[in-house]
Amino acid sequence: DVKVTQSSRYLVKRTGEKVFLECVQDMDHENMFWYRQDPGLGLRLIYFSYDVKMKEKGDIPEGYSVSREKKERFSLILESASTNQTSMYLCASSFMSRGNTEAFFGQGTRLTVV
Amino acid sequence: DAKTTQPTSMDCAEGRAANLPCNHSTISGNEYVYWYRQIHSQGPQYIIHGLKNNETNEMASLIITEDRKSSTLILPHATLRDTAVYYCIVMSGRYGGSQGNLIFGKGTKLSVKP
Repeated sequence: DVKVTQSSRYLVKRTGEKVFLECVQDMDHENMFWYRQDPGLGLRLIYFSYDVKMKEKGDIPEGYSVSREKKERFSLILESASTNQTSMYLCASSFMSRGNTEAFFGQGTRLTVV
Repeated sequence: DAKTTQPTSMDCAEGRAANLPCNHSTISGNEYVYWYRQIHSQGPQYIIHGLKNNETNEMASLIITEDRKSSTLILPHATLRDTAVYYCIVMSGRYGGSQGNLIFGKGTKLSVKP
């Protein structure tokens, strides 16, 4: 079974803390993505990576950074967590190829910043 | 911004076909139509995708109009487990990079009723 695994299902952090959300895929995919999902706003792309050490900003990168040191792992970093970063965070991965492919999503991490 | 328009919600009787419409009038020649769904508290799941021909797999059928400006996802025999939010997405064939990211709109909330 193909898998995208996110390190935590639920996480509670304090305002100002540095937070790491980890995502690992076992499919040798080139692309990895981080989204956040909020009621009424749907899924919004934060960052993506199409190769090791490569990263591109998505629609809402402010307050976040990412790290891709190994192909299978993509980390989302909240440098100084704030309450408006309370959300569901979803990681995804896919092959980089023309047309005939699909993205696989993890189960999500529900982060609460207090 | 998402390039698609979907109804906010739909109901379907269990055992009947669910037909979910999507308008994508600005689709360009190299863009595919993808469908994903998200069951409550889970990550999105790929269903099907197509370019211009109709497609069928074990989950669903995708009917794309000849002008490619709209499509319909068909779940032939809906079950209660098909209750989910269904997302229609247009994207160029290549994942990754500025042209190839999944941009989710609000989707259609499908409720399958006994």
